[in-house]
Amino acid sequence: DAKTTQPTSMDCAEGRAANLPCNHSTISGNEYVYWYRQIHSQGPQYIIHGLKNNETNEMASLIITEDRKSSTLILPHATLRDTAVYYCIVRVTFGNEKLTFGTGTRLTIIP
Amino acid sequence: DVKVTQSSRYLVKRTGEKVFLECVQDMDHENMFWYRQDPGLGLRLIYFSYDVKMKEKGDIPEGYSVSREKKERFSLILESASTNQTSMYLCASSLDRPSNQPQHFGDGTRLSIL
Repeated sequence: DAKTTQPTSMDCAEGRAANLPCNHSTISGNEYVYWYRQIHSQGPQYIIHGLKNNETNEMASLIITEDRKSSTLILPHATLRDTAVYYCIVRVTFGNEKLTFGTGTRLTIIP
Repeated sequence: DVKVTQSSRYLVKRTGEKVFLECVQDMDHENMFWYRQDPGLGLRLIYFSYDVKMKEKGDIPEGYSVSREKKERFSLILESASTNQTSMYLCASSLDRPSNQPQHFGDGTRLSIL
């Protein structure tokens, strides 16, 4: 799996959009970008994933650059409950079922 | 909505006990996984299963066994619990096809072995 780089921590004001960046410059053509988050003492929560097109669901939007070397997770209207560690993961599409997390970004939503 | 349910959020057991951790998913997923998560060590795969009665060892299977008698249920067994098995245990499930489907996790069981 390609290596990812994320900032260690970020703050965002409540009600504003939270933009979390991820660099994955060694991504290969068949690898998807996945985002998870983990709130303290809970299991990881799947947020969104994409290959090359931008994706949106009820939780977030995923913007992937045209060269696919970086992406941004956008939480449009952050709430206090969005305080968590956010993980960006790049995975091959098949044959590799083990999931591993890097250090992630600790996002703190400020009231 | 995807739902993975682990039987206990917190569990305290004694050294040498046989411990059962249960996981149930309601999405008809083929794949199920057991991980443990420890500070500084991240997520480590213990066992996984692609189908009923099938199991594959992950990275750290020693001291553990699993059972999958029904598609929706995947059990993790600590044969003789030891203090180094104190950890957060996470169950996950995913669809087998298409293969890019994400894994969905339960809330975890925080297990303490005294």
